[in-house]
Amino acid sequence: QKEVEQDPGPLSVPEGAIVSLNCTYSNSAFQYFMWYRQYSRKGPELLMYTYSSGNKEDGRFTAQVDKSSKYISLFIRDSQPSDSATYLCAMRGVLAAGNKLTFGGGTRVLVKP
Amino acid sequence: DAGVTQSPTHLIKTRGQQVTLRCSPKSGHDTVSWYQQALGQGPQFIFQYYEEEERQRGNFPDRFSGHQFPNYSSELNVNALLLGDSALYLCASSLFDRTQNTIYFGEGSWLTVV
Repeated sequence: QKEVEQDPGPLSVPEGAIVSLNCTYSNSAFQYFMWYRQYSRKGPELLMYTYSSGNKEDGRFTAQVDKSSKYISLFIRDSQPSDSATYLCAMRGVLAAGNKLTFGGGTRVLVKP
Repeated sequence: DAGVTQSPTHLIKTRGQQVTLRCSPKSGHDTVSWYQQALGQGPQFIFQYYEEEERQRGNFPDRFSGHQFPNYSSELNVNALLLGDSALYLCASSLFDRTQNTIYFGEGSWLTVV
């Protein structure tokens, strides 16, 4: 079993819809949670970063972390065709454990005009 | 402010050959990590360098080696290439300082082994 599970999609939504993405994980040592966006044949771009449980909002993006359920989510409001990309969740342990990130497999999102 | 830069962008190698990939971290960053991303999968951690030493290593064979230079730039070397080494190789840049967490990625180097 992988440490981080992510539905590969593809997830197809109409423009303006809310995109809901999620990851589950098994390692209770994970403390920091990130979402990256990756366009085709490009490097991952950091979207959101959260520490421990709770919500964080940045513009159209909202990240949620539920450590008790080992479940994280990313919501994209008012989705645009430019949001079409692969979304990767990533997580890591405490800083003393180093900078190693463990990624999910990524979810492909397609926002149709 | 330059971000993470990687070279070359694309390259094709023959099975059994050796390859060297290069990375310059974001200005002000002192830690470089390397990841391998196979097509349709998430990145997998190879190793991390700080103060010119390998600090962490993922589940990759010894054919994968690296180096960090005094200016914090880094190289990833892969020997005896296998077809399965074909992937996007990503360099990640960060600060080792325990108060910093943000990790930035370069655009990657696409390696095709034929």
